[in-house]
Amino acid sequence: DGGITQSPKYLFRKEGQNVTLSCEQNLNHDAMYWYRQDPGQGLRLIYYSQIVNDFQKGDIAEGYSVSREKKESFPLTVTSAQKNPTAFYLCASSITPTRRPYEQYFGPGTRLTVT
Amino acid sequence: AQSVTQPDIHITVSEGASLELRCNYSYGATPYLFWYVQSPGQGLQLLLKYFSGDTLVQGIKGFEAEFKRSQSSFNLRKPSVHWSDAAEYFCAVGPGSSNTGKLIFGQGTTLQVKP
Repeated sequence: DGGITQSPKYLFRKEGQNVTLSCEQNLNHDAMYWYRQDPGQGLRLIYYSQIVNDFQKGDIAEGYSVSREKKESFPLTVTSAQKNPTAFYLCASSITPTRRPYEQYFGPGTRLTVT
Repeated sequence: AQSVTQPDIHITVSEGASLELRCNYSYGATPYLFWYVQSPGQGLQLLLKYFSGDTLVQGIKGFEAEFKRSQSSFNLRKPSVHWSDAAEYFCAVGPGSSNTGKLIFGQGTTLQVKP
């Protein structure tokens, strides 16, 4: 089955540690996205990538970093510089946006708790 | 700047009753509109989308939405709600002139279904 996988489902870290969230897709999509979800705030875009080896900051990129070395993979690192990292993180992908946006397909999410 | 407003944070309906979830957007040109549903602790699933053409679009799970340009709205409807429809619903808009694929999400509406 084609889809997006995120691992792990739950992640616990101590404050001051970097942590990397995995996102893999087998939909052959070029574009991938990372969102952060907090209660009552909807989804906020952290980073997005439209092609391998290229990515752009979203609305709340501070304290996060990404890489896009393979088409299928778009890992997100939450660094110790992120002031409030505890949240639900969602990865999504879409076919290449050209003159219009396409629907995004979402993974099941990773809940990160930092204490 | 583009924005999406979902005026109702929480809605409760009885099982079998009709449902309408409101979505208003702010955008100068014709937007590309989406409705997603999210069960607790899960990723988002696409319900339906509007790009152009017929302003009444049908989606999965018996949902439909109507695009009204004069009201800048894209309300989601279902004639008879089932208990399994209890979830959080997100409206999203994509700017038509953009090739980034970025979507802007509303803050979500939580639907509770009474037996």
